Amino acid sequence: QVQLVQSGAEVKKPGASVKVSCKASGYTFTGYQIHWVRQAPGQGLEWVGRIDPNSGGTDYALKFRDRVTMTRDWTLSTVYMEVSRLRSDDTAIYYCARKSYEAFEYWGQGTLVIVSS
Amino acid sequence: QSALTQPPSASGSPGQSVTISCTGTSSDVGGYKSVSWYQQHPGKAPKLMIYEVSKRPSGVPDRFSGSKSGNTASLTVSGLQAEDEADYYCISYVGSNNYVFGTGTKVTVL
Repeated sequence: QVQLVQSGAEVKKPGASVKVSCKASGYTFTGYQIHWVRQAPGQGLEWVGRIDPNSGGTDYALKFRDRVTMTRDWTLSTVYMEVSRLRSDDTAIYYCARKSYEAFEYWGQGTLVIVSS
Repeated sequence: QSALTQPPSASGSPGQSVTISCTGTSSDVGGYKSVSWYQQHPGKAPKLMIYEVSKRPSGVPDRFSGSKSGNTASLTVSGLQAEDEADYYCISYVGSNNYVFGTGTKVTVL
């Protein structure tokens, strides 16, 4: 069965970077885009960006283009999202999700990132 | 790209219907068939309920239906049940491999 398993919670100081992983299993890794979505405490969902694991091609929401980098490792069937120059308002749960058709059919369990001095 | 507009809340009694709107522009909701809806219970990851405006994934009850008219998409939950109480979000493709979510709607079953 399709599974997306994310790395554990992180606590970082402002200005630092964080790298969250999303390990895929149960399907052909290169066949589907992985998207990242975040949710600040008590807030709504926000689309961050996406990566095509086959080509490595990426697209990011405008507000994240200078601070977010998505990569993949074929050998590990894992995608990564790194957020640099962290601010307190980056505190959120970060989800990875697999795109099927035109929707996010499978989701990871979420990774809590806390940015605090 | 601004978030799509959803009502903050909606409610209904068990057995009734509730409809949630998702309003955008001709550059997002009105311009593409790529609108999907997600249900999120507290502390849980979102769950896909409707994709490509009106298609239902296997396993989603047929009480959930989607539609679109112009720049507004809608999710209708018929025959409300207690377990339908959750937050609901729409998302639309906006071109150039980008997407935007709606502001979210909290559905309460009275």
